[in-house]
Amino acid sequence: SQQGEEDPQALSIQEGENATMNCSYKTSINNLQWYRQNSGRGLVHLILIRSNEREKHSGRLRVTLDTSKKSSSLLITASRAADTASYFCATVLHSGYSTLTFGKGTMLLVSP
Amino acid sequence: KAGVTQTPRYLIKTRGQQVTLSCSPISGHRSVSWYQQTPGQGLQFLFEYFSETQRNKGNFPGRFSGRQFSNSRSEMNVSTLELGDSALYLCASSVSTGDETQYFGPGTRLLVL
Repeated sequence: SQQGEEDPQALSIQEGENATMNCSYKTSINNLQWYRQNSGRGLVHLILIRSNEREKHSGRLRVTLDTSKKSSSLLITASRAADTASYFCATVLHSGYSTLTFGKGTMLLVSP
Repeated sequence: KAGVTQTPRYLIKTRGQQVTLSCSPISGHRSVSWYQQTPGQGLQFLFEYFSETQRNKGNFPGRFSGRQFSNSRSEMNVSTLELGDSALYLCASSVSTGDETQYFGPGTRLLVL
């Protein structure tokens, strides 16, 4: 069963604009991660935020986590055409295990 | 360092057959996990192996099995294939179990006819 649910399911923006994707989950987590997938290929790890953290940055990426609302958001600033991909949030429920529980993903299209 | 490799990349089988997929983790990584990705169900966890032991198993029927060898390479096997087994099968490796950054391979795309 899916732990996370991303919103929106699809997002279309112009290069240079910011893209925000949201993720909600159902149970307590150890950490939450965001992955990118280009056109049915393997997943690329983007960023990890632990349950005791509220915000994290990595380059053009900014992730927030609200454990009281069981939600997270991924912000990509100054989007580029190369950011076109599907983005997934994944939760790790228990420390000591690698098991990721994924949401259904957001498809992002960045037009030049 | 070479990334996670998966073989074969594409596979076509017919119902009732069995299939074996292979995954070679990044050198030095001892944990391997498998995921199935379909349009309907999304990404679902199959199993996790560490030091040749299955540490965790997802909610899949017994037709799905796997193993890990002493060199950390892993295989998964699906017996008596069904049409619904058509999917992208992804392998991920990490240094150790519980290590939180996982590195995914390109996947094996299986089509069952």
